[in-house]
Amino acid sequence: SQQGEEDPQALSIQEGENATMNCSYKTSINNLQWYRQNSGRGLVHLILIRSNEREKHSGRLRVTLDTSKKSSSLLITASRAADTASYFCATHIDYKLSFGAGTTVTVRA
Amino acid sequence: DAGITQSPRHKVTETGTPVTLRCHQTENHRYMYWYRQDPGHGLRLIHYSYGVKDTDKGEVSDGYSVSRSKTEDFLLTLESATSSQTSVYFCAISETTNEKLFFGSGTQLSVL
Repeated sequence: SQQGEEDPQALSIQEGENATMNCSYKTSINNLQWYRQNSGRGLVHLILIRSNEREKHSGRLRVTLDTSKKSSSLLITASRAADTASYFCATHIDYKLSFGAGTTVTVRA
Repeated sequence: DAGITQSPRHKVTETGTPVTLRCHQTENHRYMYWYRQDPGHGLRLIHYSYGVKDTDKGEVSDGYSVSRSKTEDFLLTLESATSSQTSVYFCAISETTNEKLFFGSGTQLSVL
């Protein structure tokens, strides 16, 4: 069963706009990770946030974690066509890493 | 793709035949994983390895076996392929357990 669930399932935005997607999970985590998957390719690790952290940045990416609400958000600022991809959250619980079903982001030129 | 090679990239096989997928890494990472990806299910862990000859089951291990005789190679075997095993299979590696996984390009397997 999926531990993390992304919302929305799909997102379409204009180039230059920001994209926000959320991940909710059910039990306490060690860390939460975000991955990107371009069509037909493997997943690429974007960012890892530990359970004692609240916010992390990496370039145009900003991730927040609210352990009291058991949720995380991924913000992509100033989106580009190359950001078109599926984005997955993965929750590390005990010795297992569980992936959600993903958010598909389409950036229109 | 971070020194990970999966082979074959595509395979079509018949129900009941054995199939072996290979994952080869050049990063010398300790941990290796096999996932399958199906629409609506995200990625699900099949088996993983935490060292040579050290493997354990994931959440969807029935019908699959693995072997790791060398640090760089992790094999996934479908003992007797079924149509429900039609999927995209990804190998991944990491230096520390379940953190910052690097993924291969995947194997598209069709079982007819």
